[in-house]
Amino acid sequence: QVQLQQWGAGLLKPSETLSLTCAVFSGSFSGFNWTWIRQPPGKGLEWIGEINDSGKTNYSPSLKSRVTISVDTSKNHFSLKLSSVTAADTAIYYCAKLGVIGTEYWGQGTLVTVSS
Amino acid sequence: DIQMTQSPSSLSASVGDRVTITCRASQGISNSLAWYQQKPGKVPNLLIYGASTLQSGVPSRFSGSGSGTDFTLTINNLQPEDVATYYCQKYYSAPRTFGQGTKVEIK
Repeated sequence: QVQLQQWGAGLLKPSETLSLTCAVFSGSFSGFNWTWIRQPPGKGLEWIGEINDSGKTNYSPSLKSRVTISVDTSKNHFSLKLSSVTAADTAIYYCAKLGVIGTEYWGQGTLVTVSS
Repeated sequence: DIQMTQSPSSLSASVGDRVTITCRASQGISNSLAWYQQKPGKVPNLLIYGASTLQSGVPSRFSGSGSGTDFTLTINNLQPEDVATYYCQKYYSAPRTFGQGTKVEIK
């Protein structure tokens, strides 16, 4: 059973950089896409982007200019950085595993609040 | 990029009713469509993949159908524990867009 555990700063000021990391426990790290998804309070799910174990990334077109996703295969970790945050980036951020059947495993979520 | 449009955005039905939620892709996506259930305050949970294959452990009152651009999630015999928001997602290629969600409530 794959488990994802995520952590990172929960309170940011406008213009700062959001930084979250997700650790993957159990199961193979190779051969899958490791994904970040967010959900503003009371709103729907938004796909942010993904990375595979080779480091190939795909990003949401609307966030591409501010997003960087990286991977550390030696630790089975992957990370999200989102620069120049504003209040509109306030959301619960989820890390997740995308397999051949969809987004099967999710982290517990991290609420990130952007406020001055 | 392919857009995913769900309807309705919310619905209210009685226990035992049949509920239908639709998801439309702006271009054909074959059957690479997943449905998720998100209960209040919880992490989303994969219900259906490949448009119609039930994930292990999901009650058989849930079913999915469709291919190409039009997809349906059906809940037969709606139960109180089905109160949740349901999302579709195209997952074959990036960007792996979600629909905007359908909130299901009990009358």
